Amino acid sequence: QKEVEQNSGPLSVPEGAIASLNCTYSDRGSQSFFWYRQYSGKSPELIMSIYSNGDKEDGRFTAQLNKASQYVSLLIRDSQPSDSATYLCAVNGPGGYNKLIFGAGTRLAVHP
Amino acid sequence: KAGVTQTPRYLIKTRGQQVTLSCSPISGHRSVSWYQQTPGQGLQFLFEYFSETQRNKGNFPGRFSGRQFSNSRSEMNVSTLELGDSALYLCASSGAGTGGTDTQYFGPGTRLTVL
Repeated sequence: QKEVEQNSGPLSVPEGAIASLNCTYSDRGSQSFFWYRQYSGKSPELIMSIYSNGDKEDGRFTAQLNKASQYVSLLIRDSQPSDSATYLCAVNGPGGYNKLIFGAGTRLAVHP
Repeated sequence: KAGVTQTPRYLIKTRGQQVTLSCSPISGHRSVSWYQQTPGQGLQFLFEYFSETQRNKGNFPGRFSGRQFSNSRSEMNVSTLELGDSALYLCASSGAGTGGTDTQYFGPGTRLTVL
């Protein structure tokens, strides 16, 4: 079992719709969760971090964390073609400090 | 504030050579982490440095090494290059280094091609 799992997609949504991206992780001790966006040929850029169970909203983005189910998700409201990218879920790895374990990423395509 | 910078941006080497990549973190950040990204394996953690000390290491062979200087700039070195080392090498910086996992900000990466 991979440590961090994401559906590779592509996830195709129409412009203006809600895109829902999901991620599961295997280490019950994980405490820190991050969503990054990566455009083709570019480096990952941080969208949001979440540390506590529940929802965290930032503009059109909402991250949801459920530690009991070992599940974290990202909702993108009013999706735009510019949101088309690969979304990477990252979880803190064993050993502490700044070690992140990344999922393989979900490719999102927003079509006009 | 300037972001994370990495040099060089592109590099072509041949098998058996060695390479050194450089990373300058965001001003004030003391933690630098290195990752390798390939189409097959995705983003994988190499190692992390804080205050010139390696605090954590991923599952890579000893050919991969790094160091950090007193100004927090970091270098990673790959010796005896193999074809499979062709990848995007990403550096990420973060701030407090309190023991938890801080938010990491990535540089633009160095694209290494091994021929």
